[in-house]
Amino acid sequence: EAGVAQSPRYKIIEKRQSVAFWCNPISGHATLYWYQQILGQGPKLLIQFQNNGVVDDSQLPKDRFSAERLKGVDSTLKIQPAKLEDSAVYLCASTGGGTVFTEQYFGPGTRLTVT
Amino acid sequence: AQTVTQSQPEMSVQEAETVTLSCTYDTSESDYYLFWYKQPPSRQMILVIRQEAYKQQNATENRFSVNFQKAAKSFSLKISDSQLGDAAMYFCAPNNAGNMLTFGGGTRLMVKP
Repeated sequence: EAGVAQSPRYKIIEKRQSVAFWCNPISGHATLYWYQQILGQGPKLLIQFQNNGVVDDSQLPKDRFSAERLKGVDSTLKIQPAKLEDSAVYLCASTGGGTVFTEQYFGPGTRLTVT
Repeated sequence: AQTVTQSQPEMSVQEAETVTLSCTYDTSESDYYLFWYKQPPSRQMILVIRQEAYKQQNATENRFSVNFQKAAKSFSLKISDSQLGDAAMYFCAPNNAGNMLTFGGGTRLMVKP
């Protein structure tokens, strides 16, 4: 079974530029999560999708961050314009249906550096 | 809102020895799971072990076991017979009814040969 795929693995941009990250969850997984992990900290949830609908985006900085999962499969996370404090690893995770208390499977993450 | 505290930023253990990583949390959920995830330098988060909060019996998974004290909201991870491959960041995380995880700040485990 293929795992969660993310691209790119690394991205360097200048502040005020825009950037997009892509995530393809495990096949059949209905729930998809985006996390932000600042260096030296634990991951922080940004947004949770159930199929193509948003379940929770309360911690997403909506003035600059946006995310979509149009067909209920892969997802993109966009930052526009980027700030220095957005430098972090962006992790995508997915989980299957059934009980809500299921393991989240994580992708390798995208390391973003904003200069 | 849930909060998670991992009070040990770094821990060191000799190969083949035992080490315990601590975690305390606060939650208003009545039913939840607790997870320990491992994050090696490759950044891929890997599930180590999970505990159902309504179960009194502590979870075990090969060399990994937990000490779950629900009343104290404590969830420590014990690694027995430590191996070089155990070196990584370890994160404790309870979930909520929506299966959203709240991660602690992590503990960096170093294993000395």
